[in-house]
Amino acid sequence: DIQMTQSPSSLSASVGDRVTITCRTSQTIYKYLNWYQQKPGKAPKLLIYAASILQSGVPSRFSGSGSGTDFTLTISNLQPEDLATYYCQKTYSNPWTFGQGTKVEMK
Amino acid sequence: QVQLQESGPGVVKPSETLSLTCSVSGDSISSYYWSWIRQPPGQGLEWIAYIYHSGSTDYNPSLKSRVTISLDTSKSQFSLKLSSVTAADTAVYFCARASSSGFVYYFDYWGQGTLVTVSS
Repeated sequence: DIQMTQSPSSLSASVGDRVTITCRTSQTIYKYLNWYQQKPGKAPKLLIYAASILQSGVPSRFSGSGSGTDFTLTISNLQPEDLATYYCQKTYSNPWTFGQGTKVEMK
Repeated sequence: QVQLQESGPGVVKPSETLSLTCSVSGDSISSYYWSWIRQPPGQGLEWIAYIYHSGSTDYNPSLKSRVTISLDTSKSQFSLKLSSVTAADTAVYFCARASSSGFVYYFDYWGQGTLVTVSS
């Protein structure tokens, strides 16, 4: 299996900060990488697909980049409603693994 | 607006079979990939399986020996069966739709999730 490592596992930031979450894979997955946001008690919500394409309706402060084995989710100008856990997910080869998650908390 | 809704027992006894159904509305089930994902309490997400409208399937190797996914297009539903459950299978189970951009698949619609507890 291709291993996925998401970091950090948690972070604390202030409103207006720029936040970066990374996802690394043990082998190339080209751009088969998605990002989700999950708030407590809710289903995950798609933010970014194919590494860098913003899902319709998602605020433009969210962006994704990377290809191959290294990927980044950036939240520019962090807002209080961005308090959540963020997951990367690969859909290149079985299994369609999720990263371990990054919990974003407000300072 | 596409909507997915999970249904099934909230409690399953150890060694028995967990059975869940996902009802799809707002779009045809006769396209896309349809999938199950689970999340143990306080933990991360685990993809379980998907089924294509043609009936082709794929399973997470870690669960493959115990899982069956099926599709009923006449009812706009797809289902999950997980056999020989243990406490480790206690989780919130989500159903989801997978769309694609080229060959990249992603889950764009999710059900609200249903908690299944394995307990005697």
